[in-house]
Amino acid sequence: EAGVAQSPRYKIIEKRQSVAFWCNPISGHATLYWYQQILGQGPKLLIQFQNNGVVDDSQLPKDRFSAERLKGVDSTLKIQPAKLEDSAVYLCASSLARNTGELFFGEGSRLTVL
Amino acid sequence: SQQGEEDPQALSIQEGENATMNCSYKTSINNLQWYRQNSGRGLVHLILIRSNEREKHSGRLRVTLDTSKKSSSLLITASRAADTASYFCVSDSWGKLQFGAGTQVVVTP
Repeated sequence: EAGVAQSPRYKIIEKRQSVAFWCNPISGHATLYWYQQILGQGPKLLIQFQNNGVVDDSQLPKDRFSAERLKGVDSTLKIQPAKLEDSAVYLCASSLARNTGELFFGEGSRLTVL
Repeated sequence: SQQGEEDPQALSIQEGENATMNCSYKTSINNLQWYRQNSGRGLVHLILIRSNEREKHSGRLRVTLDTSKKSSSLLITASRAADTASYFCVSDSWGKLQFGAGTQVVVTP
């Protein structure tokens, strides 16, 4: 079974530029998560989708971050404009549904903002 | 904000020794999970314990859960160099997941 796919693996941009990350969850997984992990910290939830609807985006900085999951399958996370403090690894995870326990993570997209 | 807190933040042991790490959380949960993250990689699910369970085993892993104290512990027995990683507890409040800050474990040969 294919895992969660993310791209790009690495991205370096200058502040005020924009960047987009893509995630393709495991086939059949209804719930998709985007996490931000700053070096040395645990992942912080940015947004959670159930199919193509948003379940929780309370910690998403909506003035600069946006995410969509059209058709309830793959998802894109965008940052515009980027700030230095956005340097982090952006992790995508999926699960069969909410409350079903185990999350499956992708390898992450490491963003460096200069 | 992080709900869970792991203790210790870092742990260094030799191969063959046991590693124990603890996790505390703040709200009621329906389950608690532990994940491992190797350097530069994604997280991998290790074990899930439900709120009505007190102890669970999986291979060399033993997890306990004390809902009255809102705490959990993860024990790795007979550690190996390959166990070197960061370990995170994740509290699950009916679909709302919160990660702790993690325990960094280094196992030296």
